[in-house]
Amino acid sequence: EVQLVESGGGLVQPGGSLRLSCAASGFTFSSHLMHWVRQAPGKGLVWVSRINSDGSTINYADSVQGRFTISRDNAKNTLYLQMNSLGAEDTAVYYCVRDNGYKIDYWGQGTLVTVSS
Amino acid sequence: QSALPQPASVSGSPGQSITISCTGTSSDVGGYNYVSWYQHHPGKAPQVMIYEVSNRPSGVSNRFSGSKSGNTASLTISGLQAEDEADYYCSSYTGGNTPFVFGTGTKVTVL
Repeated sequence: EVQLVESGGGLVQPGGSLRLSCAASGFTFSSHLMHWVRQAPGKGLVWVSRINSDGSTINYADSVQGRFTISRDNAKNTLYLQMNSLGAEDTAVYYCVRDNGYKIDYWGQGTLVTVSS
Repeated sequence: QSALPQPASVSGSPGQSITISCTGTSSDVGGYNYVSWYQHHPGKAPQVMIYEVSNRPSGVSNRFSGSKSGNTASLTISGLQAEDEADYYCSSYTGGNTPFVFGTGTKVTVL
């Protein structure tokens, strides 16, 4: 059974940093592109970042470019999102999702990040 | 890349059919047969109900069906059941540096 379990969310002050993790199991993690998608309170889903299977190709949404860093450790079956210079606009539930050939087929339950003083 | 417009809410009585639309452009919905639909019960992981416009993953009820015409994709739920009450989002592959765009979301209410 495919499982994606996010962790690392919490309350952080504006300008602060957080590192999210996503533990993957039930599939060959090293064979899949992975993404982060977020959902602000009362808003829709928004793509944040993606990383290819070996970590050599990475893309970011314009809204997080230069502040967020996606990475992965295929030996640990774990995806990461380092978030710096956080602002109120980054408050959201962050989902780790699996790419299966131009489509997202599995989602984690999400981890809530709240940026507030 | 702007969110794909969906109706904010759709409702129906048990046993009825409802259809949710997802309007895109030739750069996303109209340009690729990579439209998916997700069911999201708040607090839980979203679940894919339809992928590649009209395909159902194993385990998903055949009451769910998808289609596309031009730049608009649609999700139809037949024989509406109480358990179908949830938020539904479409998404489309875009081929660009923003690989996926999502719909604005539709809240389905079973009356």
